[in-house]
Amino acid sequence: DAGVIQSPRHEVTEMGQEVTLRCKPISGHDYLFWYRQTMMRGLELLIYFNNNVPIDDSGMPEDRFSAKMPNASFSTLKIQPSEPRDSAVYFCASGGSEQFFGPGTRLTVL
Amino acid sequence: RKEVEQDPGPFNVPEGATVAFNCTYSNSASQSFFWYRQDCRKEPKLLMSVYSSGNEDGRFTAQLNRASQYISLLIRDSKLSDSATYLCVVSRSGKSTFGDGTTLTVKP
Repeated sequence: DAGVIQSPRHEVTEMGQEVTLRCKPISGHDYLFWYRQTMMRGLELLIYFNNNVPIDDSGMPEDRFSAKMPNASFSTLKIQPSEPRDSAVYFCASGGSEQFFGPGTRLTVL
Repeated sequence: RKEVEQDPGPFNVPEGATVAFNCTYSNSASQSFFWYRQDCRKEPKLLMSVYSSGNEDGRFTAQLNRASQYISLLIRDSKLSDSATYLCVVSRSGKSTFGDGTTLTVKP
């Protein structure tokens, strides 16, 4: 298995632009998680899905953030409009209690 | 108070040393416990699960004390390649909370 796949690996955008991050989980995993990591706040859980259904989105910072999982093999995290404070590494992970992380998307909002 | 607390370090030790990391958690309903390792600019990777009976994987030993809500990781005979940030993770009902990590640097 290729592991969790994320794209893009790097994204540089300007404030106000829409950003879409993509994730393909490991086949057969029921849970999918989106995290954000910064030096100041560490690794924060944004939202997670079980069998494609959002279970807990209490970590989503505000309405500018949205996540979808239309099927078992694909999820997106969208930020619209983006702001400089959204700059971080965004990780997708799949699994259950044991999680397997993708390589992350390094987002810079100018 | 954070749900999962770790000593941030950094821990700087010579090769061959034994080093121990500690972690405390606040939610007594937590069900599963793990240690992850994260290298600089990489994703976290599962190092080992932690059980009340204690478990060992080569040079690594993890221990859980539910009564004290305390988790530990012991690394024996440290190698240069052990240099990384070690994250304590507590899980309940599918949701995991990560500590901020403890940074270890092993020097020649």
